[in-house]
Amino acid sequence: GNSVTQMEGPVTLSEEAFLTINCTYTATGYPSLFWYVQYPGEGLQLLLKATKADDKGSNKGFEATYRKETTSFHLEKGSVQVSDSAVYFCALFYNQGGKLIFGQGTELSVKP
Amino acid sequence: NAGVTQTPKFQVLKTGQSMTLQCAQDMNHNSMYWYRQDPGMGLRLIYYSASEGTTDKGEVPNGYNVSRLNKREFSLRLESAAPSQTSVYFCASSEKGARGYEQYFGPGTRLTVT
Repeated sequence: GNSVTQMEGPVTLSEEAFLTINCTYTATGYPSLFWYVQYPGEGLQLLLKATKADDKGSNKGFEATYRKETTSFHLEKGSVQVSDSAVYFCALFYNQGGKLIFGQGTELSVKP
Repeated sequence: NAGVTQTPKFQVLKTGQSMTLQCAQDMNHNSMYWYRQDPGMGLRLIYYSASEGTTDKGEVPNGYNVSRLNKREFSLRLESAAPSQTSVYFCASSEKGARGYEQYFGPGTRLTVT
């Protein structure tokens, strides 16, 4: 079936460090891929998305590229800030089900 | 625009009590969803409503019922709460984008069942 696997957290980085959060997926067909972010005490917000192979989604300095050959959608940021501390969720949407499938989330903590 | 609103924000129930979680959206979206979030398990879909007048089970529907009252409102009811239903509940809504749905989430309801 369709599924999403993320690297386990928590991930702890110093400010200005490079961030990678790995995400791989299993799906039939051509899903759309998303990264959502959840700040403490809040609901999820869409961070970026990609709807077809080789698309790059970007927002707020974060980037992720839809790699069909490796079934991956890794999230990257060149220089993290304390304000990026949050839980990040990778998700896929497949048309047949009409639903989002979420990974388990990766907690990021950025220290000054 | 308030987006997606949920009430209450926090609730404590005793085992066997019932309650209804309310959700409303002002974005004129057709689809609405209820998720629960548990540590280490991401978000799991409880029920969803693709359009007004329709509801369907998600991944973990047991112990819950839903009502799509109108296009704006989608409520989740726990008829007889159990400790296993202690969780954070999120409502979301969406409208189809160019390819795939972008979902907009409410702030969540933190429920504890003792």
